[in-house]
This record gives sequence, C-alpha cells and structure tokens, in this order.
Amino acid sequence: AQSVAQPEDQVNVAEGNPLTVKCTYSVSGNPYLFWYVQYPNRGLQFLLKYITGDNLVKGSYGFEAEFNKSQTSFHLKKPSALVSDSALYFCAVRPNTGTASKLTFGTGTRLQVTL
Amino acid sequence: GAGVSQSPRYKVAKRGQDVALRCDPISGHVSLFWYQQALGQGPEFLTYFQNEAQLDKSGLPSDRFFAERPEGSVSTLKIQRTQQEDSAVYLCASSFRRGNQPQHFGDGTRLSIL
Repeated sequence: AQSVAQPEDQVNVAEGNPLTVKCTYSVSGNPYLFWYVQYPNRGLQFLLKYITGDNLVKGSYGFEAEFNKSQTSFHLKKPSALVSDSALYFCAVRPNTGTASKLTFGTGTRLQVTL
Repeated sequence: GAGVSQSPRYKVAKRGQDVALRCDPISGHVSLFWYQQALGQGPEFLTYFQNEAQLDKSGLPSDRFFAERPEGSVSTLKIQRTQQEDSAVYLCASSFRRGNQPQHFGDGTRLSIL
C-alpha cells in the first residue's frame, strides 16, 4: 500500500520569505512523486514531479522540491513567497512503474501568504 | 479547450436519484482516472481506464457506482440511488500511458445530495 503524510494543515508565511511545505511518503519500491496546487472551486494543477535523477526538482512558478530517499520526504520549497501563492497544496505518490496508475494524495496543506 | 473538461460543474440531486457525470479528457491521453474529493480532504482514487478498458475499479465505494469509457475517449461516472454520503467533488484526470507523465485534472463536478 502507498500513503502520503502532510503533517501541517496550514503554513503561514510573509510575502518575500522562503516557504516550505512538508511531505513524507510510503510506497513499495521506488516512487514517482508529484506536487499539485488547488485554487478555490478548481481542479488540481500540476506543479512538479520527481521521477529519477537529481534530488532537487524545479517546477512551475518558481517552486522546487527536494527528494530525500533516506527520509522518504519530498518537501516543496520556494525562495520568496507571493501572496498569489496562497492556495491548497497536495503531495502525491505512486510506484515507479512503466505505465500509468493511480495517485495517492496527502490531506493537503493550506498555504497562507500575507503582506 | 486543451484541458480536461467536466460537466456539469455543479449537480444537486435528491437522495435516491441517479446521476451521471461526464469527463472529456485531453486529446491523445489514453489513461483516464476518476477521483472523489470530500470536503477538506485530498482526492481519493475511484477507477482507472486505459483506452476503453477499465483496468482498476478498486476504489469504487459500492456497486451503486459505475464508470464507462466505451470509445476510449469521453468517460461517464454514474451513481445510482444516490445517498447523502455521495456528496463530494468528483475529479477526472487524464495522462499519457507512460508512467512518468503527470495526470492533468479537470475542475471537477460538485455533487450535492439533499
């Protein structure tokens, strides 16, 4: 079975400060890891993915994530937060297999960026 | 448009009624997924199609839930004899067949059962 934990329901950060949204995972074998963002009354928007290779993955809108195999973590980071980054963020995992399969999501972390 | 399209965006039904939710995936995406998102929760997997074949339906909560994709493109999720606990947002996602490709989501259908 696969699972994702997002230990923080909400993260508060001031605009211009760095942000981190935490994610740990459990999966059989090697993982594919994803971050999605959800704005109110919208679907999930893909931000970035880890498949293999460099542990630091860069994605959309200045976001990046660091894969740490020993800690089974995939934390989302951004060097300088914007008010417009305020949204709900989901981490997701699936096994590293050749064809598509279901994603398992965390419960989400609400990011609140204030002026 | 180029994204995943879902309709209707909002559906209100009385308990016991049947509902049908539609998903039109991104052109060329052979994989299609349905997820259920309860209020304040992450999406939960329901079922998965590769072309017209339903390869995984392990997440369907009961035999009242049925999904089809007869021509390998548009998919319909049907819920029979709806109950209040079926109230949720139903999300559709599509992707290429290759496993390292992300799933792209539609805006969902918000289903409210009265």
